[in-house]
Amino acid sequence: AQTVTQSQPEMSVQEAETVTLSCTYDTSESDYYLFWYKQPPSRQMILVIRQEAYKQQNATENRFSVNFQKAAKSFSLKISDSQLGDAAMYFCASFSGTYKYIFGTGTRLKVLA
Amino acid sequence: DAGVTQSPTHLIKTRGQHVTLRCSPISGHKSVSWYQQVLGQGPQFIFQYYEKEERGRGNFPDRFSARQFPNYSSELNVNALLLGDSALYLCASGSYQETQYFGPGTRLLVL
Repeated sequence: AQTVTQSQPEMSVQEAETVTLSCTYDTSESDYYLFWYKQPPSRQMILVIRQEAYKQQNATENRFSVNFQKAAKSFSLKISDSQLGDAAMYFCASFSGTYKYIFGTGTRLKVLA
Repeated sequence: DAGVTQSPTHLIKTRGQHVTLRCSPISGHKSVSWYQQVLGQGPQFIFQYYEKEERGRGNFPDRFSARQFPNYSSELNVNALLLGDSALYLCASGSYQETQYFGPGTRLLVL
């Protein structure tokens, strides 16, 4: 069975500092995608970053980057130069060839001014 | 371009009733997925439709059904509503490498 685990219910970071959100997953599929989504309070879920499992290189989108450790089934999100607008719930998610999306329980990120 | 739209935004029903939620995908997107998000939890996958065919299904009872129309819009139907069906229902349309683009959701309250 596919699972996605986020073990940090809440994290805090000082503005301009760096924070890392953890995610582990499990799948028996060889081909899959991993995602981080951001859900601001009372606002729409938006894509932060995407990683194809077959790619060795870690994905990067501006201040957001991932540390994808395939053997360890780990997919952490690093946010550099944190901004007040980064405050949100962050969800890690996986998609595989069984056409099912699995989301983690989320990590609430607080950014302190 | 318009994003994913959902209607209605809010809905109140009583136990045992039936509800229909609607979703219009981003223009050019052929897949639509539905999720249930209970307060404080991550979204739970219900269905994915692609080209009007069901392509994936999560662990939800048969009271939940969906369909996709020729214009790729979609409906989610829930029969015999239970209190536990109260949640935010999210629709997402799919594009490149299965990335999901989410709508604002329909908040359903079952009394």
